Amino acid sequence: NAGVTQTPKFQVLKTGQSMTLQCAQDMNHEYMSWYRQDPGMGLRLIHYSVGAGITDQGEVPNGYNVSRSTTEDFPLRLLSAAPSQTSVYFCASSYFAGQSYEQYFGPGTRLTVT
Amino acid sequence: DQQVKQNSPSLSVQEGRISILNCDYTNSMFDYFLWYKKYPAEGPTFLISISSIKDKNEDGRFTVFLNKSAKHLSLHIVPSQPGDSAVYFCAASEGTGTASKLTFGTGTRLQVTL
Repeated sequence: NAGVTQTPKFQVLKTGQSMTLQCAQDMNHEYMSWYRQDPGMGLRLIHYSVGAGITDQGEVPNGYNVSRSTTEDFPLRLLSAAPSQTSVYFCASSYFAGQSYEQYFGPGTRLTVT
Repeated sequence: DQQVKQNSPSLSVQEGRISILNCDYTNSMFDYFLWYKKYPAEGPTFLISISSIKDKNEDGRFTVFLNKSAKHLSLHIVPSQPGDSAVYFCAASEGTGTASKLTFGTGTRLQVTL
């Protein structure tokens, strides 16, 4: 099991450019999420999905799009990059089993927008 | 509006002693709580969780205590080891089916000294 994989590890964009951050999991988890981590702010939820074909907004969704066409993949699209989107992005997947679950996180993508 | 708060940005503890990390929350709908550990340049790693129907959960050296009336939880690490040095995040979710939607605190950096 590779767990949760994210590509690329690092990316530098110019303001206005678009790109897609890739996320894949091989654990057959129903739930997937995207978070961003900024200094002093912990992790904030961008978008999440409770299954293929179902997505919803989190706390900070503006400027980002997601889709979930398969259970395995959950890409995050930046439509027009802005310096405020400079951050570390983490993808996570989870499986709800009765009364407990845990989220498994990928290694992160460090994005710089100039 | 920070719904999950970790008021101590850092904590230093001697090896072998107890580390106590604290977390407060304001949303009374939260009913599931998790602790994550994060090393630099890596994704968060799940440590331990607790449901609101319990007040204590133990896993090896790690114990989480939940005080619902005070909206407070704490993570105890006994005995602390140098490898425990990391940033610890408290996270919470509300209701079943929200395994993909966590609210995180801002983290506490734990340093375990020799």
